Amino acid sequence: GAVVSQHPSWVICKSGTSVKIECRSLDFQATTMFWYRQFPKQSLMLMATSNEGSKATYEQGVEKDKFLINHASLTLSTLTVTSAHPEDSSFYICSARASGEVDEQFFGPGTRLTVL
Amino acid sequence: GQNIDQPTEMTATEGAIVQINCTYQTSGFNGLFWYQQHAGEAPTFLSYNVLDGLEEKGRFSSFLSRSKGYSYLLLKELQMKDSASYLCAVVDSNYQLIWGAGTKLIIKP
Repeated sequence: GAVVSQHPSWVICKSGTSVKIECRSLDFQATTMFWYRQFPKQSLMLMATSNEGSKATYEQGVEKDKFLINHASLTLSTLTVTSAHPEDSSFYICSARASGEVDEQFFGPGTRLTVL
Repeated sequence: GQNIDQPTEMTATEGAIVQINCTYQTSGFNGLFWYQQHAGEAPTFLSYNVLDGLEEKGRFSSFLSRSKGYSYLLLKELQMKDSASYLCAVVDSNYQLIWGAGTKLIIKP
């Protein structure tokens, strides 16, 4: 089946630093990738939708200057949390939708970010 | 390797009961999630089980047997709006989410 990977799996950083999270589709081309944030035992909150080669579409309330998304190729999207603060500590999950597929998403394993 | 199995698609009738099964083989276990996802929308949290047994929440119930590596989601009094994909996800020993492929549930009148 389709596989989506994320790197790193977990990261601990100091307040004020920036952290980059990669999301890769390993065996298919993903024209669209989604970035989610999850708080404990809660629904995934969609942060943004990124289409290859174009700017990401951010959900209301998500700061685009703080959460930079780049989708430079059909297999890679990156989320950079800039000037991270403790309240940004969360579980970040990406998903990818294959070219031509309408409603099927494949989820990554998530990245646990802890900001000290 | 790590693996989550759930049926690809199920069909049920409005007003009936349906059980969606999920079996898993993972390196460690720190809980199992069930999510509902309507087409084009973000997944919605349904349940989280970490201990064996049945947890009931209204029309939805979730069951876990850690010794069998098995869970099911039970939906009662099915409504048309329950037509969606249902995702099973296990938290492994590294606190990573291992996702099932999802079960597409089709409700017929």
